[in-house]
Amino acid sequence: QKEVEQNSGPLSVPEGAIASLNCTYSDRGSQSFFWYRQYSGKSPELIMSIYSNGDKEDGRFTAQLNKASQYVSLLIRDSQPSDSATYLCAVMGYSGAGSYQLTFGKGTKLSVIP
Amino acid sequence: DTAVSQTPKYLVTQMGNDKSIKCEQNLGHDTMYWYKQDSKKFLKIMFSYNNKELIINETVPNRFSPKSPDKAHLNLHINSLELGDSAVYFCASSQVGGGGAGTQYFGPGTRLTVL
Repeated sequence: QKEVEQNSGPLSVPEGAIASLNCTYSDRGSQSFFWYRQYSGKSPELIMSIYSNGDKEDGRFTAQLNKASQYVSLLIRDSQPSDSATYLCAVMGYSGAGSYQLTFGKGTKLSVIP
Repeated sequence: DTAVSQTPKYLVTQMGNDKSIKCEQNLGHDTMYWYKQDSKKFLKIMFSYNNKELIINETVPNRFSPKSPDKAHLNLHINSLELGDSAVYFCASSQVGGGGAGTQYFGPGTRLTVL
């Protein structure tokens, strides 16, 4: 059973601070890693993908991957109230017969306080 | 020019009824998915279709039957609806290739309420 673990939160940070979101996964064969943002009542929206160890930066967002520790994180710099949402970690792994499966964590709810 | 669209957006029905949800993508992707998000916001894969063939069928009741008339459409039919089927159902699509699966793009969701 492939598992993806996240702290459910809520994680509260003041506006302008760095928000740090963490995720661990159980399947060592996982190949691709994603962070989705989901506003209440909306669909998940991709904000970052990462495939190799190290850091990947995109604007205020930095994804970090450590495959040896089976750990993925997302840093949000200069947090804004509009960043308040649930952040879903998703891990892609091979599920056999030529197919790949995306397994989601339960999400971390982030609240940015003005 | 919506990438992944679903209809209806809301569906309220009585227990025991049969209902369908439709999904269409105009991204040219070859793989489509159905996910269920329960009241605790946990998003779980139900089905996946690649080029009109079912490639994942997670442990969902056989009251749920996906149908893919072509690679741009994946519909979900649910028979004999139960209270526990109340959830938000998301359709998604991706392009699979090169030894891995690509980013999945989600539709707006269908909120199903069974009374």
